Amino acid sequence: AQSVTQLDSQVPVFEEAPVELRCNYSSSVSVYLFWYVQYPNQGLQLLLKYLSGSTLVKGINGFEAEFNKSQTSFHLRKPSVHISDTAEYFCAVGGGADGLTFGKGTHLIIQP
Amino acid sequence: DSGVTQTPKHLITATGQRVTLRCSPRSGDLSVYWYQQSLDQGLQFLIQYYNGEERAKGNILERFSAQQFPDLHSELNLSSLELGDSALYFCASSISGRAQDTQYFGPGTRLTVL
Repeated sequence: AQSVTQLDSQVPVFEEAPVELRCNYSSSVSVYLFWYVQYPNQGLQLLLKYLSGSTLVKGINGFEAEFNKSQTSFHLRKPSVHISDTAEYFCAVGGGADGLTFGKGTHLIIQP
Repeated sequence: DSGVTQTPKHLITATGQRVTLRCSPRSGDLSVYWYQQSLDQGLQFLIQYYNGEERAKGNILERFSAQQFPDLHSELNLSSLELGDSALYFCASSISGRAQDTQYFGPGTRLTVL
């Protein structure tokens, strides 16, 4: 069985400040890790994914994430956020037989 | 635009009714997934098809069924609808249906059961 925990339901950040969205996972099989973003009234868009190899993964829109096997974490970071980054962010794990398992999501709120 | 299309965008119906949601995958993708997004349950995997065959089943109720047609489009049928079925239903597609493949999501169908 797999599970994903996103520790923060909401993260308020000032514009141009750095941000980290936390994600911890649990899995009994090899894991593939994903971060998706959902803008209001839209579907989900892939930001980045970790399959294997380098633990630091770079994605679109300046986001990056680091896979930490010992801490079973895959935290998402951006050094400087913009108003347009306001959205819901979902961490997901794949590798089992049940499609993607998503976390509850983190609402990133950018304050001017 | 992910290339995945879903119709209709919105659906309002009454309890006890039956509805069909439709999904067309990205050109070249052989696998289709259905997910349900609700406020209390979050995003939950329902079912996956690959090239017309069911490949994986998640938390899909017995009142729900799906299929993938020879042209690779998919339909999700929801019957005996209850108030709790109100949710956003997403379809996603991937090229080969492997766990490491990127899944591309459609814009969703918002179902409201009154």
